[in-house]
Amino acid sequence: EPEVTQTPSHQVTQMGQEVILRCVPISNHLYFYWYRQILGQKVEFLVSFYNNEISEKSEIFDDQFSVERPDGSNFTLKIRSTKLEDSAMYFCASSVNRGLGNSPLHFGNGTRLTVT
Amino acid sequence: AQSVTQLGSHVSVSEGALVLLRCNYSSSVPPYLFWYVQYPNQGLQLLLKYTSAATLVKGINGFEAEFKKSETSFHLTKPSAHMSDAAEYFCAVSDRSGNTPLVFGKGTRLSVIA
Repeated sequence: EPEVTQTPSHQVTQMGQEVILRCVPISNHLYFYWYRQILGQKVEFLVSFYNNEISEKSEIFDDQFSVERPDGSNFTLKIRSTKLEDSAMYFCASSVNRGLGNSPLHFGNGTRLTVT
Repeated sequence: AQSVTQLGSHVSVSEGALVLLRCNYSSSVPPYLFWYVQYPNQGLQLLLKYTSAATLVKGINGFEAEFKKSETSFHLTKPSAHMSDAAEYFCAVSDRSGNTPLVFGKGTRLSVIA
C-alpha cells in the first residue's frame, strides 16, 4: 500500500539554525499537510497546501515557517531560525481530496526535531 | 470551532479485557469523527471514521466506535484487548465541508497487561 515517507526520522539542530523537514506524499494525492506534536501535547495543525500554495495555516505557522513543493514528489517544511520550543514530532500527511469524510489523511512516521 | 476531549491520558487493561477509550466532541455543525492509532515509532494510522452513515462504525483490528449525538461522544471500544493493541490512540474531528483542518485530541496511551 502506498505510504507517506518522511526524512530524516530524527533531526538535532542548534537554536537559530535552519532546518528542512522532507516528505514524499502519496503520488496521486493533491492535498498536503504538516502537523506537529510537542511531547505530551496534542497533535496540532500547522499548514495545508494545495495547487502549489498554502490553503490554510494556523497561528503556530508564523513567518519562521515555510512550505514548498520543489518538484513533483517532495513536500518540505522549513524552519528558518529554530527555537527551543520548536522541538516536537513533525508529521506530514496527504489526502486525495479536501473533504475528509471520503478522503482521510494518510500520515508519515514523523520527524522528531530536537533543538538544543 | 471544533474540538475533541479525550478522557484519560493513560488507560491500562488486562489482555482479553474490554477496551474503552473515551472521546467527546464539540462542534457547531454535524461533524466527521475519526480515531487514529500510533504504534511506537510509527505515524498515525486511521482506525475508523464516522461520516454520518451508520452510527456504529467498525474499524480495523476489531475496534469499533459509536456516534452518540445526545452525548456528543464517539467512544472507541474493543471487546477483547490484545497485547498488540498497546499504542497511542487519537480522536479527531473535522467539519463536513473540508474547509477546516482535522483537529486532534491529546491522545490516550493504551497499555495491555499480560
